[in-house]
Amino acid sequence: DVKVTQSSRYLVKRTGEKVFLECVQDMDHENMFWYRQDPGLGLRLIYFSYDVKMKEKGDIPEGYSVSREKKERFSLILESASTNQTSMYLCASSSPALTDTQYFGPGTRLTVL
Amino acid sequence: GENVEQHPSTLSVQEGDSAVIKCTYSDSASNYFPWYKQELGKRPQLIIDIRSNVGEKKDQRIAVTLNKTAKHFSLHITETQPEDSAVYFCAASIRSGGYQKVTFGTGTKLQVIP
Repeated sequence: DVKVTQSSRYLVKRTGEKVFLECVQDMDHENMFWYRQDPGLGLRLIYFSYDVKMKEKGDIPEGYSVSREKKERFSLILESASTNQTSMYLCASSSPALTDTQYFGPGTRLTVL
Repeated sequence: GENVEQHPSTLSVQEGDSAVIKCTYSDSASNYFPWYKQELGKRPQLIIDIRSNVGEKKDQRIAVTLNKTAKHFSLHITETQPEDSAVYFCAASIRSGGYQKVTFGTGTKLQVIP
């Protein structure tokens, strides 16, 4: 059973703080993704990675960066949090060699005050 | 880049009726089209998918159709039940070797009225 976990379910930060969101998967998946989910906007891709130390910009990368030092871990970094980054953040992983199915984590609801 | 449009944004049906959700995509290179269901407070989960070399796929009460020429695909749920109430997302994916980029639609909130 694939398990994707995220470091926090709820997070409250102040404007200007540096924020780290962590995602860990236990199925040796090559691909990992970060999305943000906002009402009426669906799931928007921030960044994704198809291999260790590899990263690709998604559709809304501005204000975010990522790190993938190990295959199982993909971190999303908000260098200087702003109120418009208040959102639900979802991590996902997949292994295209086996299946294209994405497996999602439970999400982190981030509030920036 | 890829653009996926999804309609309607909300849908209410009586229990036992059918529900149809439609999506269009822009990039002809997209070759994989999954549908995810997200129940309230839970993570999205795959319910059905279709590849670009197939026109239709069915799994019990759920079916998906794909028209590559028109670049649109649809989800059909028959004999709806209250537990079908959720938000449904379509997606278009480009996969090349180990590289996979997925673009989601904006979601459809389905309410099945008992």
